[in-house]
Amino acid sequence: NAGVTQTPKFRILKIGQSMTLQCTQDMNHNYMYWYRQDPGMGLKLIYYSVGAGITDKGEVPNGYNVSRSTTEDFPLRLELAAPSQTSVYFCASSYSFWAEHGTDTQYFGPGTRLTVL
Amino acid sequence: ELKVEQNPLFLSMQEGKNYTIYCNYSTTSDRLYWYRQDPGKSLESLFVLLSNGAVKQEGRLMASLDTKARLSTLHITAAVHDLSATYFCAVDCRYSGGGADGLTFGKGTHLIIQP
Repeated sequence: NAGVTQTPKFRILKIGQSMTLQCTQDMNHNYMYWYRQDPGMGLKLIYYSVGAGITDKGEVPNGYNVSRSTTEDFPLRLELAAPSQTSVYFCASSYSFWAEHGTDTQYFGPGTRLTVL
Repeated sequence: ELKVEQNPLFLSMQEGKNYTIYCNYSTTSDRLYWYRQDPGKSLESLFVLLSNGAVKQEGRLMASLDTKARLSTLHITAAVHDLSATYFCAVDCRYSGGGADGLTFGKGTHLIIQP
């Protein structure tokens, strides 16, 4: 059981380039999330999904897109990368909100460290 | 807009001492979470607090929730060096506060425990 996996671990982009951050979970979770963490700050929600085919914006969605074609995968797309998108990106997953106690926490992947120059 | 504030943001303490981290939030919450993050690592779930008066303990860490005061505390008893990390509280208010289906995080408390 690998949990939540993310690729790549590190990436450097030039301004204006595009890339996709991959996220996969093998826990059969319905809910998946993308957060970004800037230095010295807490995490901020970018996008989330409550199931395959359903996505919605979080607090900071501008400059990003997502898709959810399967339960396992939730890729995050950066179009026209900008220096303001330099951050560490975390993917997370959880059971539904109404799951039994003890199963409702969010499980986080190892993160992708992205630098835009 | 939901705001989650932690204090202190930085804390240096000696082994063997007790201390408390505070987490205040601005609207009614459904759940409150505490996470630990080691440098360069991901987040590890510590506690999930569901209702007013909830108290959970794991080893030297104890978390509590007062929903009326909109306050959660993380208490460290007889600190040891291995507890050095950044601790985040996060609030889920998707139903009561009308937020998105995700967590709103505090800025984190960077804890250093010196031998």
